[in-house]
Amino acid sequence: SQQGEEDPQALSIQEGENATMNCSYKTSINNLQWYRQNSGRGLVHLILIRSNEREKHSGRLRVTLDTSKKSSSLLITASRAADTASYFCATGTNSGNTPLVFGKGTRLSVIA
Amino acid sequence: GAVVSQHPSRVICKSGTSVKIECRSLDFQATTMFWYRQFPKQSLMLMATSNEGSKATYEQGVEKDKFLINHASLTLSTLTVTSAHPEDSSFYICSAKDSRLGGDLYEQYFGPGTRLTVT
Repeated sequence: SQQGEEDPQALSIQEGENATMNCSYKTSINNLQWYRQNSGRGLVHLILIRSNEREKHSGRLRVTLDTSKKSSSLLITASRAADTASYFCATGTNSGNTPLVFGKGTRLSVIA
Repeated sequence: GAVVSQHPSRVICKSGTSVKIECRSLDFQATTMFWYRQFPKQSLMLMATSNEGSKATYEQGVEKDKFLINHASLTLSTLTVTSAHPEDSSFYICSAKDSRLGGDLYEQYFGPGTRLTVT
C-alpha cells in the first residue's frame, strides 16, 4: 500500500524559479528518499535522509525531514528545463526484507 | 557498484502468451528483491517481495498464479506474467537491497524497468 502523499500533484514553474514539493507519510520510518523519473524511464535516486537528520543538501537539492509531523520537503533551486520530471518520495526501514513504499509523486514542469 | 539490471527493457507480446522478465544484481548479493508495477502517470506499486530459495510474498490484490516469481539465486529473480492480457501492460521495475554483511540496508537499488505491452 502507498504511504506517502506528495503535494502538489503537479507543479509548473518558469526556469530559474525554485520548486518545492512536499511529502507526508503515516508510519514510523528509518529513512526517507527522493527519486526522479523522467517520462517512460527508470528511477534516479536523488537523496536519502535518515530519521535522525533534519536537513540535507546535494547540489541544487535541499531536503528537510520533520519526523514529528511525518513530513518531508524537496526544494530544487534555480530550476532548469532538464528538471522536468516526476518526483517521488519513498519511505524505508533498515530491514533487509522491507521494501520502499512510494508516494504518488509530483509532476514538475519547468518552462524555459 | 550496486547495479541492478533488467531484461528485456521492452517487450511486446500477444494476449494469452507468457512473458518472463529477469532482474539481476550485478555486483552484490540480494537475499531479497522486490517487484513493482507502474501504470502511466501513476506511482510505483509493490507487487511482491521475492526471497531467495523460498516463495515470494505477494501484496494484496496481486494474483500469485498470474505473476510467477522465482528467486533461484542471490543475484537473480524472475517475474513471469502468465496468460498476459492488455490490462497487464505496464512498466515493471525490480529492486534489491545489498544483503551482504555490512551492506547498507537503507539503500534499495532499482533496475531500469521493463515496458510490457500486451496486444
